[in-house]
Amino acid sequence: NAGVMQNPRHLVRRRGQEARLRCSPMKGHSHVYWYRQLPEEGLKFMVYLQKENIIDESGMPKERFSAEFPKEGPSILRIQQVVRGDSAAYFCASSPPGDRPEAFFGQGTRLTVV
Amino acid sequence: GQQLNQSPQSMFIQEGEDVSMNCTSSSIFNTWLWYKQDPGEGPVLLIALYKAGELTSNGRLTAQFGITRKDSFLNISASIPSDVGIYFCAVRKTSYDKVIFGPGTSLSVIP
Repeated sequence: NAGVMQNPRHLVRRRGQEARLRCSPMKGHSHVYWYRQLPEEGLKFMVYLQKENIIDESGMPKERFSAEFPKEGPSILRIQQVVRGDSAAYFCASSPPGDRPEAFFGQGTRLTVV
Repeated sequence: GQQLNQSPQSMFIQEGEDVSMNCTSSSIFNTWLWYKQDPGEGPVLLIALYKAGELTSNGRLTAQFGITRKDSFLNISASIPSDVGIYFCAVRKTSYDKVIFGPGTSLSVIP
């Protein structure tokens, strides 16, 4: 059973470009979470999605950021018109449906905006 | 705002020593999770706690879910160099809630 897969592992974008980060959850998992981590800091919640639904986006910046988890395919975190302050590690986690609340993380995508 | 506090913020210990770290919250949570993050990697789940008062072990790791549901501790016995990393506590109110992370405890082990 493969773990949570994130790609790319490293992404370099120029200011003003778009960044697309992909996350394939573990098999059988229907809940996906995105977190951002700055160097030497903890994990900040961004958004929680189930298939085709956004459950909680209270941590998402109001502009330029969006997330989706379509019926088929990976979850996508999209950052439009990136700025230097978007440089960070972005982690995706997934959890199964039902009462098991553990969340399992991918290895992250390190975004660098130059 | 920040709902979880972890102490200590960092620790430097000799190999073979036991380690204890703590996590407290201002609110009640029904699930407490402990993760370890190595540099450049994603967090790895160590222990999950579901019941107040529950004590759970995973090898040299032991964690307890506080009876008030507002705190948890993690102990590591006989530390080894590969225990180095950042340890995060995390909480959830329900299985359909986001996971909230603490700021982390950085552990360094001196051989």
